[in-house]
Amino acid sequence: DVKVTQSSRYLVKRTGEKVFLECVQDMDHENMFWYRQDPGLGLRLIYFSYDVKMKEKGDIPEGYSVSREKKERFSLILESASTNQTSMYLCASKRRGMGYNEQFFGPGTRLTVL
Amino acid sequence: SQELEQSPQSLIVQEGKNLTINCTSSKTLYGLYWYKQKYGEGLIFLMMLQKGGEEKSHEKITAKLDEKKQQSSLHITASQPSHAGIYLCGADPAGGTSYGKLTFGQGTILTVHP
Repeated sequence: DVKVTQSSRYLVKRTGEKVFLECVQDMDHENMFWYRQDPGLGLRLIYFSYDVKMKEKGDIPEGYSVSREKKERFSLILESASTNQTSMYLCASKRRGMGYNEQFFGPGTRLTVL
Repeated sequence: SQELEQSPQSLIVQEGKNLTINCTSSKTLYGLYWYKQKYGEGLIFLMMLQKGGEEKSHEKITAKLDEKKQQSSLHITASQPSHAGIYLCGADPAGGTSYGKLTFGQGTILTVHP
């Protein structure tokens, strides 16, 4: 059974803290994605990676950075957490290739910044 | 950029009733994905539509893509409480030639009363 796991389901941090969200997939997928989900806004892409050490900005990268040192692991970093980064964060992975194939999602991390 | 508009934003039905959720795109859809999300959890892939006029079914859920490839509908027959959740449509804005980034609609919240 294919799996995308995220390090925490719930996380509470204080303003200004550095926050790490980890995502691991066991499907040997090349492409990995970080989204945030807010009520009424759907999912918005923060960053994605198409290979080890490769990354591209998504639609809302401000205030975030990412790291991909190993193929199976994609980390999202909030350098200095702010209250407007309180959200649900979802990681996904996808097999590379032309054409259409679905993204597989992790269970999500609900982050609260106080 | 491609925008996806879902309607309705929320839906409350009695168990056993049929319902339809719509997803309208501002541009031609080259790959349209339907996902379901239970509250506070990750997304589960339902179906993907690619060709104009295409229709796919899984158990009691049927998804269609119109001939012009700008609108998709998701129809649930004889709804059950297990169908409750958030339904999201997603599209590949680059027509399958990108890294698989998806743009999502804002989601439709479905409640099914027993």
